[in-house]
Amino acid sequence: EVQLVESGGGLVQPGGSLRLSCAASGFTVSSNYMSWVRQAPGKGLEWVSVIYSGGSTYYADSVKGRFTISRHNSKNTLYLQMNSLRAEDTAVYYCARLSTTVTTKWFDYWGQGTLVTVSS
Amino acid sequence: SYVLTQPPSVSVAPGKTARITCGGNNIGSKSVHWYQQKPGQAPVLVIYYDSDRPSGIPERFSGSNSGNTATLTISRVEAGDEADYYCQVWDSSSDPSVVFGGGTKLTVL
Repeated sequence: EVQLVESGGGLVQPGGSLRLSCAASGFTVSSNYMSWVRQAPGKGLEWVSVIYSGGSTYYADSVKGRFTISRHNSKNTLYLQMNSLRAEDTAVYYCARLSTTVTTKWFDYWGQGTLVTVSS
Repeated sequence: SYVLTQPPSVSVAPGKTARITCGGNNIGSKSVHWYQQKPGQAPVLVIYYDSDRPSGIPERFSGSNSGNTATLTISRVEAGDEADYYCQVWDSSSDPSVVFGGGTKLTVL
């Protein structure tokens, strides 16, 4: 059974850092495209970042240069390092697995989410 | 960057058909995926590749995509279908990225 379990969320001051983790089971993280998606309170879904199975990474403009997606193969875990946090980064952060074809990708499994609150 | 437009809300009586649209420039040339999200829960995939249903999703959920509009259709709507629905595409026009629509709140009257 595929499972994704996020952790690492919490309260952090503006300008601070936080690292989110997403422990996967039932499949191999490094063989899949993995992504982070966030949702601010009362708002819609916003894509944050993706890491390809080959290791390439891409980011939304809103987090480029501040967030870093990575993975630890032996721990089968996905990470999101978040630096220079702003109030507008406050959101529930979901990790999700992407199902892929040559022309498109979609999220077939999601974690339960972890809340990040940026506030002084 | 590519933009997807959804109506903020759609209301439907139980047993009727709900149609939720997702507009985008020549969206018919892309594959559209749909998610259902209930309060306090993670999103769940309900339609992928325009019209395919994952296992476990009722046949009442269907999708279509043509021209500048993709549509999620829910037949014989039930109270349990009340949720937010999001469309999504993969945009590879520049740096690859995922694009979501703004979401539609489906209310069952």
